[in-house]
Amino acid sequence: GNSVTQMEGPVTLSEEAFLTINCTYTATGYPSLFWYVQYPGEGLQLLLKATKADDKGSNKGFEATYRKETTSFHLEKGSVQVSDSAVYFCALSVGNSGGYQKVTFGTGTKLQVIP
Amino acid sequence: DAGITQSPRYKITETGRQVTLMCHQTWSHSYMFWYRQDLGHGLRLIYYSAAADITDKGEVPDGYVVSRSKTENFPLTLESATRSQTSVYFCASSERIGWGYTFGSGTRLTVV
Repeated sequence: GNSVTQMEGPVTLSEEAFLTINCTYTATGYPSLFWYVQYPGEGLQLLLKATKADDKGSNKGFEATYRKETTSFHLEKGSVQVSDSAVYFCALSVGNSGGYQKVTFGTGTKLQVIP
Repeated sequence: DAGITQSPRYKITETGRQVTLMCHQTWSHSYMFWYRQDLGHGLRLIYYSAAADITDKGEVPDGYVVSRSKTENFPLTLESATRSQTSVYFCASSERIGWGYTFGSGTRLTVV
């Protein structure tokens, strides 16, 4: 089956520090990869995505590169802000025989940025 | 306002009661989904719908019923609420497969 493994949180960083949140996956087929962010009391928001190997998704200073050889999609940001404090979810989607692309989410990594 | 809205935002209900959570989207996205989010379990898919009148079960459908008579609405009904259904419920929609989801703000349901 498909699975997504994220690094355990919480991750606590000082403002302007470099962020890496690791994400690895296993999938049958060729998945699309996503990062979602969830701020307190809100739903998940799509942060970035990549649909094929070596693609780099980017948004709001966050980046992640689809690495097929290492089955990874690590999230990075060069300089975090307090406003980046949230829970980050890695996810993949793969088509199935019924035409529906099942999405598998990781368990989430909580990021806390302190001033 | 454009977007995906869920109601109510918070709900407390008693064991055994029927409760319906509403989800409405303004984009006419074909795909809609219901997830529940629980500590230790992450996000789990309850039901999904590929179009009006087309629905299918996800990972944890027992105790839930959905309908989709109109593209924009996808209500989730708990037929006889149990304490194990205490959770935060998220509705999501997607225009196309593989494009990513847009989530609503969630309904926090407590069953007492």
